[in-house]
Amino acid sequence: DGGITQSPKYLFRKEGQNVTLSCEQNLNHDAMYWYRQDPGQGLRLIYYSQIVNDFQKGDIAEGYSVSREKKESFPLTVTSAQKNPTAFYLCATGDSSYTSPLHFGNGTRLTVT
Amino acid sequence: GNSVTQMEGPVTLSEEAFLTINCTYTATGYPSLFWYVQYPGEGLQLLLKATKADDKGSNKGFEATYRKETTSFHLEKGSVQVSDSAVYFCALSPNTGNQFYFGTGTSLTVIP
Repeated sequence: DGGITQSPKYLFRKEGQNVTLSCEQNLNHDAMYWYRQDPGQGLRLIYYSQIVNDFQKGDIAEGYSVSREKKESFPLTVTSAQKNPTAFYLCATGDSSYTSPLHFGNGTRLTVT
Repeated sequence: GNSVTQMEGPVTLSEEAFLTINCTYTATGYPSLFWYVQYPGEGLQLLLKATKADDKGSNKGFEATYRKETTSFHLEKGSVQVSDSAVYFCALSPNTGNQFYFGTGTSLTVIP
């Protein structure tokens, strides 16, 4: 069954700790994206990657880091430098054609206290 | 630059009412346009798309027409159901670059 798996669905961390969110895809898509969604707001791009071992900063990359060692995987680390990390995080993939839609995972809700 | 503007929500309608959610865009070149739907606690799902001017995307009773002259892609449905309650996002993908641009979303609640 093709799709995007984000895990875990809910994540709780103490302030000052780094945390890594997982995103795995079996759609064979080249491009992968991380978005942040806050209540009542739209999506803000954190990082994206168009090819293995390469990635670019989005609009709100500060306090986040990513890696793309495999085509299927694009983990996001929320570091202690991120001032307001509590949010809903969405991973998406695409085939790099502008006429094709992005496909989204079901998200990870991160709560930092 | 590229941007998407959606009508402010929330929108509350009675079942079987007509729905319009406005979306206008600014883009360099000739973008593709999309509508996504998000149910509570879930990711975004593609609802429909249009890839060139005058194309009409349709799915599950929803329609939107790519209007280049008015730079719009308004979402319509003739008769909404309670199950249509969700947040709707308009998005564009420019034909240059690899980013998507999303509107801020419009929350729809349909009451019986």
